[in-house]
Amino acid sequence: GAVVSQHPSWVICKSGTSVKIECRSLDFQATTMFWYRQFPKQSLMLMATSNEGSKATYEQGVEKDKFLINHASLTLSTLTVTSAHPEDSSFYICSGSGTSGRAYNEQFFGPGTRLTVL
Amino acid sequence: AQKITQTQPGMFVQEKEAVTLDCTYDTSDQSYGLFWYKQPSSGEMIFLIYQGSYDEQNATEGRYSLNFQKARKSANLVISASQLGDSAMYFCAMRELPQGGSEKLVFGKGTKLTVNP
Repeated sequence: GAVVSQHPSWVICKSGTSVKIECRSLDFQATTMFWYRQFPKQSLMLMATSNEGSKATYEQGVEKDKFLINHASLTLSTLTVTSAHPEDSSFYICSGSGTSGRAYNEQFFGPGTRLTVL
Repeated sequence: AQKITQTQPGMFVQEKEAVTLDCTYDTSDQSYGLFWYKQPSSGEMIFLIYQGSYDEQNATEGRYSLNFQKARKSANLVISASQLGDSAMYFCAMRELPQGGSEKLVFGKGTKLTVNP
């Protein structure tokens, strides 16, 4: 149980285009979803936290207009990288936590999405 | 200041031997949680073990155990009987609740473990 999926698993796009990444909790209701970015050989850095039905809370230094996060339902959150540039190339990982079952307060991670911007 | 410190960028261990991965943390909270995750080259984050600050006994999960020394603020991961499949990055993380903010995980920089045959 407590499975989180991400789609796509990898994406290559041209500079200036927008890319949407989906994060779904498959077998639990994720009241909170987290989006992380990981550069090669580095740690995970939290970008933003979103609660279902509310605006996302962004970490310091993360541009909210560039990284649009929507958490419209208890099982789906999306991250849209707008006007992507090569420096946005990274590994993006989402996680979800819920308030029921084994997922209470524990974050379950998706498999990640590798974004390459040419 | 770093809240989670992993001082070993890389570690090597022989197959079937035990290895300890170090993690120290910094917090003034009384209630907190400590996690260890494994990240293989595929990128997925695999939960290994959890230790709550009020847990009196060290957490164990199969071949994984957490050596929790609260006074020293350390939460080292011990992997017994290493297997080739244990080769991966290992991240220590702390769950914190910032004032006025939402609960979140803070990760250390990770340790790359290589298990040699």
